[in-house]
Amino acid sequence: AQTVTQSQPEMSVQEAETVTLSCTYDTSESDYYLFWYKQPPSRQMILVIRQEAYKQQNATENRFSVNFQKAAKSFSLKISDSQLGDAAMYFCAYRSDPSGTYKYIFGTGTRLKVLA
Amino acid sequence: DSGVTQTPKHLITATGQRVTLRCSPRSGDLSVYWYQQSLDQGLQFLIQYYNGEERAKGNILERFSAQQFPDLHSELNLSSLELGDSALYFCASSVGQGIQETQYFGPGTRLLVL
Repeated sequence: AQTVTQSQPEMSVQEAETVTLSCTYDTSESDYYLFWYKQPPSRQMILVIRQEAYKQQNATENRFSVNFQKAAKSFSLKISDSQLGDAAMYFCAYRSDPSGTYKYIFGTGTRLKVLA
Repeated sequence: DSGVTQTPKHLITATGQRVTLRCSPRSGDLSVYWYQQSLDQGLQFLIQYYNGEERAKGNILERFSAQQFPDLHSELNLSSLELGDSALYFCASSVGQGIQETQYFGPGTRLLVL
């Protein structure tokens, strides 16, 4: 069975600095998708960034980028120029599509604190 | 505002009871997902419907059931409730296929079982 592990329950970063959140996963499938979601105090889930496994190029969305290492099954999120509004829970998620069904598996999350 | 609505926002009930959570997807979205988020935990995928048909099943208990109606709204029924069922229940609707599929989450229903 697929699993997603986020080993950092909590991280802190100084405003304007860079922080990297870790995520590892386990799967025997070769084609899958990876995501980072942000959950602010409002509890709304917001998609931050996504990556397709067969693409070697790391995804980037403005200040957010990933370091995707397929062989190591690692998918870390880098937040540059951290802002107070980045404070939230961040969830790594895995999705595969066996037989056209979509199943998402989420990690347990990393709480990011941004210090002014 | 994602465009996905969930009612009620909060629900307090007793053990052994049954409740129904409702989700209205964004206009035009055919797919609806249900998730459970227990305190300080990640989201557990429960079930997915696509255009009225069950498409994928996660770790959904037999006491839980769901359906998607012709107007595409979905309901999650939780019965014989236990204390451990207290959680935030999210619904998400999605558009697109493959990597382009984007899930839009509702605000959640917070269920407290006493």
